Amino acid sequence: GQNIDQPTEMTATEGAIVQINCTYQTSGFNGLFWYQQHAGEAPTFLSYNVLDGLEEKGRFSSFLSRSKGYSYLLLKELQMKDSASYLCAVRAPGGYNKLIFGAGTRLAVHP
Amino acid sequence: GAVVSQHPSRVICKSGTSVKIECRSLDFQATTMFWYRQFPKQSLMLMATSNEGSKATYEQGVEKDKFLINHASLTLSTLTVTSAHPEDSSFYICSAPGGEAKNIQYFGAGTRLSVL
Repeated sequence: GQNIDQPTEMTATEGAIVQINCTYQTSGFNGLFWYQQHAGEAPTFLSYNVLDGLEEKGRFSSFLSRSKGYSYLLLKELQMKDSASYLCAVRAPGGYNKLIFGAGTRLAVHP
Repeated sequence: GAVVSQHPSRVICKSGTSVKIECRSLDFQATTMFWYRQFPKQSLMLMATSNEGSKATYEQGVEKDKFLINHASLTLSTLTVTSAHPEDSSFYICSAPGGEAKNIQYFGAGTRLSVL
């Protein structure tokens, strides 16, 4: 079966750091993605991890541990515009690039 | 990054009519595209995989006669919601794999369908 878990909601303060966790149990693994989605808009790509470790990209970092079926997205120096849903997605093996999405974490950033 | 264009962005239609949604990869070719459905405050649910030159692959529980998919060319896939009913009202989003290694899914802006 396919199961991707992430917290439903989180709140944080402007300027702070927040970590959004994602655990997965999938029949096959070929990479993990994080997307940001503002309400009523399409998801935008944030990060991609296929090997264990930390990938850093500006204020955003993503970590993967394949043995633990675990990833997190770290957002630093939070800004109000970071208020959005953050979607964790696992790519299934095979040639179609099929993604399986978690339910998403709604992050609210307060002043 | 690669650009995926989706049209229209919003549709309001009467129950029983059919609605066509287009998804185009603007600066790259996509032999595969994906169609998702998203209800408010929920995540994306994959409906089907659109394959250029062959039939679409539908996820379990998705009616292929209800949601017709045509991958007309290497840059265009269409989703037609046939005989739409109010329960079909939703946010429909397409995506296509792009980038150098075709690893990353790029999403269209989405289509909000409201069936009266």
